[in-house]
Amino acid sequence: AQKVTQAQTEISVVEKEDVTLDCVYETRDTTYYLFWYKQPPSGELVFLIRRNSFDEQNEISGRYSWNFQKSTSSFNFTITASQVVDSAVYFCALSEPNTGNQFYFGTGTSLTVIP
Amino acid sequence: EPEVTQTPSHQVTQMGQEVILRCVPISNHLYFYWYRQILGQKVEFLVSFYNNEISEKSEIFDDQFSVERPDGSNFTLKIRSTKLEDSAMYFCASRVEGYTEAFFGQGTRLTVV
Repeated sequence: AQKVTQAQTEISVVEKEDVTLDCVYETRDTTYYLFWYKQPPSGELVFLIRRNSFDEQNEISGRYSWNFQKSTSSFNFTITASQVVDSAVYFCALSEPNTGNQFYFGTGTSLTVIP
Repeated sequence: EPEVTQTPSHQVTQMGQEVILRCVPISNHLYFYWYRQILGQKVEFLVSFYNNEISEKSEIFDDQFSVERPDGSNFTLKIRSTKLEDSAMYFCASRVEGYTEAFFGQGTRLTVV
């Protein structure tokens, strides 16, 4: 069973539009960590955010915001006023202390921002 | 800013050959990982390493794979006899003690021909 599901395979938006990337996770642990990583065309993985299971407070960082809802097991990522440089593949990931803190990645959402 | 460094950035090898992928984790980090990403697919866990031994490994990490921390700074992944399906991007990651984010290297693209 998939621990992290990113149902959106590809999204295209026009520059300056807002876009939300969905992430649904599955775990039986009460303590876990959720992450978002960005993978630009150059291929590296860039850390964006970490959230622990006890902190449901939403977070905003510039044009980025994250909505963590335990009730729906979701950790969605919104980019406001998208820019061409936001074009990348975005991965949501789950880490569980009981399984050695390895990362379980979703399949990624490819975002294309059209100028 | 400290970063995880991987070498080489791209390696091409013939099927059946041995390859060693190298990583230099961030200096005060204690946990090390290798992940694999087949082109266009998700990032998959291979192995985690702590206190000079493997702590977890996935089904992918079979007898053809091994990891080593030979000198206290490098962290290597060896594939003994490469197969075509080993072609992928390999990421090294490291993190400090506690439940924190892992920092990933820029990856090594392995192409087996």
